[in-house]
Amino acid sequence: EAQVTQNPRYLITVTGKKLTVTCSQNMNHEYMSWYRQDPGLGLRQIYYSMNVEVTDKGDVPEGYKVSRKEKRNFPLILESPSPNQTSLYFCASSYSAGYGYTFGSGTRLTVV
Amino acid sequence: SQQGEEDPQALSIQEGENATMNCSYKTSINNLQWYRQNSGRGLVHLILIRSNEREKHSGRLRVTLDTSKKSSSLLITASRAADTASYFCATFGGSNYKLTFGKGTLLTVNP
Repeated sequence: EAQVTQNPRYLITVTGKKLTVTCSQNMNHEYMSWYRQDPGLGLRQIYYSMNVEVTDKGDVPEGYKVSRKEKRNFPLILESPSPNQTSLYFCASSYSAGYGYTFGSGTRLTVV
Repeated sequence: SQQGEEDPQALSIQEGENATMNCSYKTSINNLQWYRQNSGRGLVHLILIRSNEREKHSGRLRVTLDTSKKSSSLLITASRAADTASYFCATFGGSNYKLTFGKGTLLTVNP
């Protein structure tokens, strides 16, 4: 089944403790992206990747890092999480930037 | 920066009725897409309409695009309780390699 898999689904962590949210897709998509969704603010793009080793900032990249060493994986790294990063995070992939996206099921992160 | 803005923010209808949601945007686009999100879950791609298209159909969905007015509409015909979800429009401008989402319309279909 074609899908984007994110882990974990839920995570509660403490301020400053580094964490990684994994994202993997099995569709051989070139384009991958991370979004965060917050009430009243909608979905905002954090980072995106056009292909392996090609990443770029979205609208809200501060406090996040990404890497794209393999085509299928696009992890999101929070080096020192803060409470304002409490959010619902989505990974998405697509054949190309302008095509329809396939989304993962989301990761609900709480930073206390 | 938000590109698409959906209207209304919330819509409540009875099963069997049609639901119409609108999306307005500000800058030129390459294509416009509609997505559905069930509460707290991942978004699901519904339909893509290119800037040179005016109307597109997929099952019970009908999407129109008016680039002169920078607006689009999503019509769901003969709605069902299972259509209850948030619906988002998203625009792709081409030059910035990203899809920009609106804040969504929450559709409630009452049985």
